[in-house]
Amino acid sequence: GESVGLHLPTLSVQEGDNSIINCAYSNSASDYFIWYKQESGKGPQFIIDIRSNMDKRQGQRVTVLLNKTVKHLSLQIAATQPGDSAVYFCAESFTGGGNKLTFGTGTQLKVEL
Amino acid sequence: GAVVSQHPSWVICKSGTSVKIECRSLDFQATTMFWYRQFPKQSLMLMATSNEGSKATYEQGVEKDKFLINHASLTLSTLTVTSAHPEDSSFYICSAPTSGSRLTYNEQFFGPGTRLTVL
Repeated sequence: GESVGLHLPTLSVQEGDNSIINCAYSNSASDYFIWYKQESGKGPQFIIDIRSNMDKRQGQRVTVLLNKTVKHLSLQIAATQPGDSAVYFCAESFTGGGNKLTFGTGTQLKVEL
Repeated sequence: GAVVSQHPSWVICKSGTSVKIECRSLDFQATTMFWYRQFPKQSLMLMATSNEGSKATYEQGVEKDKFLINHASLTLSTLTVTSAHPEDSSFYICSAPTSGSRLTYNEQFFGPGTRLTVL
């Protein structure tokens, strides 16, 4: 089942620095977006979400920015910590879509001490 | 938050056998559950939507006769991989939204995943 040669994009940051993870989405009808964190061998964990009537939302140490014009989403993590090392996925959904999610390709975040 | 469990967490089976994976919502009822498959270093791909009391809805390219889904109750959905082959080896993840509304998005909770290895 493994596809040879595929690798997740990787972002390496120093501990304490800020991280920015980007995501492009394709469905212009999508109106709800979520960022998930997935640690090795585990299911996705909710981080933060944003609806299309907003362009920015802040949580604890995380900020999500939404640019609907270019269909772009970003996740900013402040003061990155070793525990933030994981794969991060954006996901999109749309009203009336029956709660179905479409996941982006993912980014591997590596925090260096 | 709500909790979704999966059983087993990992399974190894011989080629040609069938494997059943359970997905349970522990503290809420889920009329809908979703099954995903994730290959190493790749994203989650939606396989099917499990509907309590009716047939599952499969995504394009997913063989419904190979991946049997049964939504037995409001807290349990099962995925059976029939006549498993090595190419079915993957990480299978389920999720459940906390409400059955199809009109607005409802927060989803993911299970911890099941690692299937077919020898």
